[in-house]
Formats: sequence, C-alpha cells, structure tokens
Amino acid sequence: NAGVTQTPKFRVLKTGQSMTLLCAQDMNHEYMYWYRQDPGMGLRLIHYSVGEGTTAKGEVPDGYNVSRLKKQNFLLGLESAAPSQTSVYFCASSYSNSDRSNQPQHFGDGTRLSIL
Amino acid sequence: QQQVKQSPQSLIVQKGGISIINCAYENTAFDYFPWYQQFPGKGPALLIAIRPDVSEKKEGRFTISFNKSAKQFSLHIMDSQPGDSATYFCAAYASGSARQLTFGSGTQLTVLP
Repeated sequence: NAGVTQTPKFRVLKTGQSMTLLCAQDMNHEYMYWYRQDPGMGLRLIHYSVGEGTTAKGEVPDGYNVSRLKKQNFLLGLESAAPSQTSVYFCASSYSNSDRSNQPQHFGDGTRLSIL
Repeated sequence: QQQVKQSPQSLIVQKGGISIINCAYENTAFDYFPWYQQFPGKGPALLIAIRPDVSEKKEGRFTISFNKSAKQFSLHIMDSQPGDSATYFCAAYASGSARQLTFGSGTQLTVLP
C-alpha cells in the first residue's frame, strides 16, 4: 500500500528555474493538498483540490501553480523559483466524507527543495 | 496570521515522565482538532483527534484535553518513551472548509533514556 507518494524527494534549483513536484495517491481520495513546512512555522497550505479538474488557493499560494488532471495526481509547479521558496513540501490527501473523526489527511514523506 | 498558537517550541523530558504540549486557537468556527506526529524525514501522521463537544479523549498513553470556553487544547503523553521523540503539531479545521488544516508551529519533543 503506497499511500501518498511524492517525487522527487530532493531537488536543488537555481533562482529563476522552473520545476514540477508530483504527488500521487492510491487511496481514491477526493481531496488533495500541498503544504510547505518551514522551521518554526508549522505547515502552511499552498493550494488544494476538492476533485479532479478543480483547484483552490490556500494560505500561501503566490509563486505556485497547481493542476489536478487526474483524481490520483496533484501537481505543484514553480514557474520561476526564488530563494524564499526553499522549503520542504508535503502533499496530503483525504476523503471528503463528513465523518471527520475517521478521515484524517494522509501525508507523503515530502520533497526537500533548495533554491540557490 | 497564526490562528493556532502552539507552545512550547521544544521540550525535553526524562523517560517515564509526562510531556505536555499546549495549543490555543482563535477561530471559533474550528470544530475538529487533530494532533500529528512527525519523525525526521517523514510526513506528519495523525496521532489523535478530538471534537469540541468532548472535554477529553484518551488513546493509550496519549490524551487530549479540550477547553472550549478558553479555546485551548493540550496533548499529554504519559510515561514518555525515547521512541516518542518527534515533532508534534496541533491542528484545526472548520466545517465546510474542504477540510483545510491550520497547523500550530510545532513542538520538538526529546525524551531522554
């Protein structure tokens, strides 16, 4: 059972370069999320999706774009990377069922991204 | 804006001791409060969660205490073990928010053997 898989696990970019982070889940979850984790700031929501073909902005969306062309995949793009985007990026997924007590968000193991 | 404030930032406890992590929230629309545990190099994993209609929830050595009037909740780890050493995050979300989690800033717990 793979759960939530993120690729790549590590990446170093130069300022101005672009890249795409891939998240794949095999749990048939409707909702998917992208977070960034920075020291002392917890996890902050970048963008999220409530279903195939739909996306919405989270708390810190600037500089990022996302796409959800397939239910199982959620892509996070950086069009022109900046040093401020150096972070650990986590993808998560969950059911949309209203019984929240049994439907936690499942997280991947993260992508560590450094922008030089 | 930080809607969920967590303290302390770091905590060192002896094996067998009690670890206590506190969180306070501002948004009264929050109605689900999970705690996540994160080990180095891994993603957060759900540890225990509570709804505001319950004042306490216990699962094994882990207990959440919830004070709705004070808008505070805390995690207690009884008989702390070295294997509990990890970063702990409190979180919250509101009905109708597409289950968007708002996280606290995290507490790095170290349990000494």
